[in-house]
Amino acid sequence: EVQLVESGGGLIQPGGSLRLSCAASGFTVSSNYMSWVRQAPGKGLEWVSVIYSGGSTYYADSVKGRFTISRDNSKNTLYLQMNSLRAEDTAVYYCARVEGSYLYYFDYWGQGTLVTVSS
Amino acid sequence: SYVLTQPPSVSVAPGQTARITCGGNNIGSKSVHWYQQKPGQAPVLVVYDDSDRPSGIPERFSGSNSGNTATLTISRVEAGDEADYYCQVWDSSSDHPGVFGGGTKLTVL
Repeated sequence: EVQLVESGGGLIQPGGSLRLSCAASGFTVSSNYMSWVRQAPGKGLEWVSVIYSGGSTYYADSVKGRFTISRDNSKNTLYLQMNSLRAEDTAVYYCARVEGSYLYYFDYWGQGTLVTVSS
Repeated sequence: SYVLTQPPSVSVAPGQTARITCGGNNIGSKSVHWYQQKPGQAPVLVVYDDSDRPSGIPERFSGSNSGNTATLTISRVEAGDEADYYCQVWDSSSDHPGVFGGGTKLTVL
């Protein structure tokens, strides 16, 4: 059974850093495309980042240069390092597996972890 | 970057048909996917590749895509279908390929 479990969210001051983790089971993270998607309170879904199986990474303009997506193959875990956090980064962050053959949809999602950026 | 436009809200009576649109430039040339999200829950894929349904999704959910508009159709709407619905495409030619529509709140009257 495929499972994604996020952790690492919490309250952080503006300008601070936080690292989110997404532990996967039932499949191999490194063999799949993996993404982070976020949702600000009362708002819609916003795609944040993707890491392809080959290691290429891409980011939304809103986080480029501040966030870094990575993975640990030995732990089968996806990460999102978030630096220089802003109030507008406050959101529930979901990790999701991307069906990456050619359709590119999000077939499995974690339960989400809340990040609150506030002083 | 590619933009997807959805109506903020759609209302329908139980038993009727709901249609939620997703507009984009020549969206008919792309594969469109749809997600249902209920309050406090993660999104769930309900339609992929314009019109296919994952296992476990009722046949009442269907999709179409042509020209500049993709449509999610929910037949015989039930109270449990009340949720937010999002369309999504993958713009492989872009440096930020993941694209979601703004979402549509489906209200069952």
